[in-house]
Amino acid sequence: AQSVTQPDIHITVSEGASLELRCNYSYGATPYLFWYVQSPGQGLQLLLKYFSGDTLVQGIKGFEAEFKRSQSSFNLRKPSVHWSDDAEYFCAVGTLFSGGYNKLIFGAGTRLAVHP
Amino acid sequence: DAGVTQSPTHLIKTRGQQVTLRCSPKSGHDTVSWYQQALGQGPQFIFQYYEEEERQRGNFPDRFSGHQFPNYSSELNVNALLLGDSALYLCASRPWDREETQYFGPGTRLLVL
Repeated sequence: AQSVTQPDIHITVSEGASLELRCNYSYGATPYLFWYVQSPGQGLQLLLKYFSGDTLVQGIKGFEAEFKRSQSSFNLRKPSVHWSDDAEYFCAVGTLFSGGYNKLIFGAGTRLAVHP
Repeated sequence: DAGVTQSPTHLIKTRGQQVTLRCSPKSGHDTVSWYQQALGQGPQFIFQYYEEEERQRGNFPDRFSGHQFPNYSSELNVNALLLGDSALYLCASRPWDREETQYFGPGTRLLVL
């Protein structure tokens, strides 16, 4: 069965420090992979996505992620965290269907706290 | 260009009641999906609508039903509410026939007392 694991429930970093959020997936075919961010009381905003091609993808707000098929991972990175990055981060895999993907399977999320 | 919109933003109901949530997709999108996000968890897929038909369903009981209208907007109905139905309900839209990202609305926060 398809699944997404985010091993870190809560991470605390200082502003200006680097960040890596881990994501592992289980899926039998080539996955469509996403990272979303959710601020308190808000909906989900897409940070970046991987469909095919270059395994290092750039997103908004200075985030990037690298798809590693051999490790079934899609880790999110940022070289220097800003206080506004304080939020919940979700990794998701899109299950394939003719015409594209048809649903997203989310991990449980990683709560990122940024200290000044 | 308006994104995905949902109404209402918040709702309080009591056990046993019924609720209807509404979603208008992003312009140009014809496929709507609904997700339930319980507190402290990731969103879980409820079902997806395209051409006014339910195309795929997640692991949710029949108390959860939906509808899609000719203008692509959608409703989520939940009957016989349980305390455990308290959650943020998210609507997402995308074009059916293109590999594009799903865009999410701000959600409806449902509290069942």
